[in-house]
Amino acid sequence: DIVMTQTPDSLAVSPGERATINCKSSQSVLSGTNRKTYLAWYQQRPGQPPKVLISWASTRESGVPDRFSGSGSGTDFTLTITNLQAEDVAVYYCQQYYATPPTFGQGTKVQIK
Amino acid sequence: QLQLQETGPGLVKPSETLSLTCTVSGGSTSNDRYYWGWIRQSPGKGLEWIGSIYYSGYTFYNPSLKSRVNMSVDTSKNQFSLRLSSLTAADTALYYCTSESTAVKFRFDSWGQGTLVTVSS
Repeated sequence: DIVMTQTPDSLAVSPGERATINCKSSQSVLSGTNRKTYLAWYQQRPGQPPKVLISWASTRESGVPDRFSGSGSGTDFTLTITNLQAEDVAVYYCQQYYATPPTFGQGTKVQIK
Repeated sequence: QLQLQETGPGLVKPSETLSLTCTVSGGSTSNDRYYWGWIRQSPGKGLEWIGSIYYSGYTFYNPSLKSRVNMSVDTSKNQFSLRLSSLTAADTALYYCTSESTAVKFRFDSWGQGTLVTVSS
């Protein structure tokens, strides 16, 4: 299985500031066939199921605010939340969908400082 | 917009079999553009994919659970189901039903609210 490791486990950020979450996969999730990167980011607010924010490492889903951005390639990825809002308090997960079984990171909890 | 809703028992005894059903609205389980699946979430293991099923009945399971998992789809009721056998306390989790586009396998676009399953005597 591809192991997804996120850092940090939690962070507290002041409103309006930036939050940065890192994700590392144990092997590349870049397809040599179509050159696409099979990495997604999810947001899970308290009491809610996860919701896809970003696919293909950097493509925001429809309706996702542009303060959320994804970057990275190969095995190292970053989710950045700029201008943090109170509604962004959640646990964020990275997930690879390159190989079977799909696997998730352990999650990063983002709180307001 | 697909909506998914899980139903099933909240408490199951060790060694027994868990049965969960997911009812789909806003779409059809006979639609060939979707896979239907199950993911569970626990404090110990985090988010764990259990398996997915196509409208035709084709299944693919997590190898770590494959020997204990059976999934089925009932297009007449617009539902799909999960059976997980030989339960232990380690199977205690919040179980979500999900959907994936066949165009992007294993990206989980829609989720139910989840149903908590506790394995205990």
